[in-house]
Amino acid sequence: AQKITQTQPGMFVQEKEAVTLDCTYDTSDPSYGLFWYKQPSSGEMIFLIYQGSYDQQNATEGRYSLNFQKARKSANLVISASQLGDSAMYFCAMRDEFAGTASKLTFGTGTRLQVTL
Amino acid sequence: DGGITQSPKYLFRKEGQNVTLSCEQNLNHDAMYWYRQDPGQGLRLIYYSQIVNDFQKGDIAEGYSVSREKKESFPLTVTSAQKNPTAFYLCASSFLGMNTEAFFGQGTRLTVV
Repeated sequence: AQKITQTQPGMFVQEKEAVTLDCTYDTSDPSYGLFWYKQPSSGEMIFLIYQGSYDQQNATEGRYSLNFQKARKSANLVISASQLGDSAMYFCAMRDEFAGTASKLTFGTGTRLQVTL
Repeated sequence: DGGITQSPKYLFRKEGQNVTLSCEQNLNHDAMYWYRQDPGQGLRLIYYSQIVNDFQKGDIAEGYSVSREKKESFPLTVTSAQKNPTAFYLCASSFLGMNTEAFFGQGTRLTVV
């Protein structure tokens, strides 16, 4: 069965610094996809970045990059040059081929990031 | 504009009453999902559907029911059997496939008094 673990309930980072949010996952399927979402205080969920299990390179989207270590089953999100607007909850999520479906999307418990001046 | 619409944004109900949360999408997505979020916690999957007239239980389906009579619509009923229904409910949809991200609605905050 799928499982996503985010061990950092809260993180602080100074503006303009980089920060890494941890995510580990557990699946027995060789084919899976990993996602990161941002949830501001308004409650909406914003998709940030995707990494496929067969992707050779780490995914990058602007200031977001994914440090994907397949053997360790980790998919950490790196935010470079933090901005005050980055303050939010961040969720890691996964799909795999469990039970013959690639549809089920499972989330971790999230990390609350606070960017300070 | 394409997107997912959840209604209402805030909902108050008395204990013991069933309540239905609406979710509509015009993105032509095959899959739809319902998640529950409690304060300071992650998203827990209630139900999901990949195709019309078919749906699967998620991790916390007890006390909830869904239907998928149309591709665009996936309403969630919170029944009186749900012991602690007060929460933030998020609906999402996506295309099928490993690499497709889910798009979310704005959420419904349900308070049972």
